[in-house]
Amino acid sequence: DAKTTQPTSMDCAEGRAANLPCNHSTISGNEYVYWYRQIHSQGPQYIIHGLKNNETNEMASLIITEDRKSSTLILPHATLRDTAVYYCIVRALNRDDKIIFGKGTRLHILP
Amino acid sequence: DTAVSQTPKYLVTQMGNDKSIKCEQNLGHDTMYWYKQDSKKFLKIMFSYNNKELIINETVPNRFSPKSPDKAHLNLHINSLELGDSAVYFCASSRRGFYGYTFGSGTRLTVV
Repeated sequence: DAKTTQPTSMDCAEGRAANLPCNHSTISGNEYVYWYRQIHSQGPQYIIHGLKNNETNEMASLIITEDRKSSTLILPHATLRDTAVYYCIVRALNRDDKIIFGKGTRLHILP
Repeated sequence: DTAVSQTPKYLVTQMGNDKSIKCEQNLGHDTMYWYKQDSKKFLKIMFSYNNKELIINETVPNRFSPKSPDKAHLNLHINSLELGDSAVYFCASSRRGFYGYTFGSGTRLTVV
């Protein structure tokens, strides 16, 4: 079972920052936080991951709270093409490492 | 282009038939996966191979048999297809470690 809790859906106006929250209160010390998204009819796409420090790449920023029990994915200037289901995942690195997807957040970018 | 490619993209077949889905990655990754996405859009892992060795086998009926001839290929063979096998099947690959997965564009299987 997924170890994360996300809102079912969110709306964001085009051009504004989209802030997607995720709770992972039972995260272990060796587990990373990953974010993926799935645009309609496409395969999931890796966005970003982090352990405890905030991370930024060309797609998004990841803010992880100090206690690591929650995180926020930030899309700084959302566009219509960012409409997708966003998955927050916690993942440990071991031999049977696997990504378990939950239900995710359906993000609608509004024109 | 570097990518994870799956063939075919669409597959319509009758119950009881045997079919295969092929997956190839040219990213130099050493681990490959099969995921199934059902009509409710839940993504579930089925299998994982690392350097041709089966690592994960998630309670999948033995009608499903993955085959990895080399670390760049992971094919999925399905025997005696059933209506409930209808889904989108995604192949993915990654480097061992904390790297993200790269997914293919999916194979939509419809069993009639």
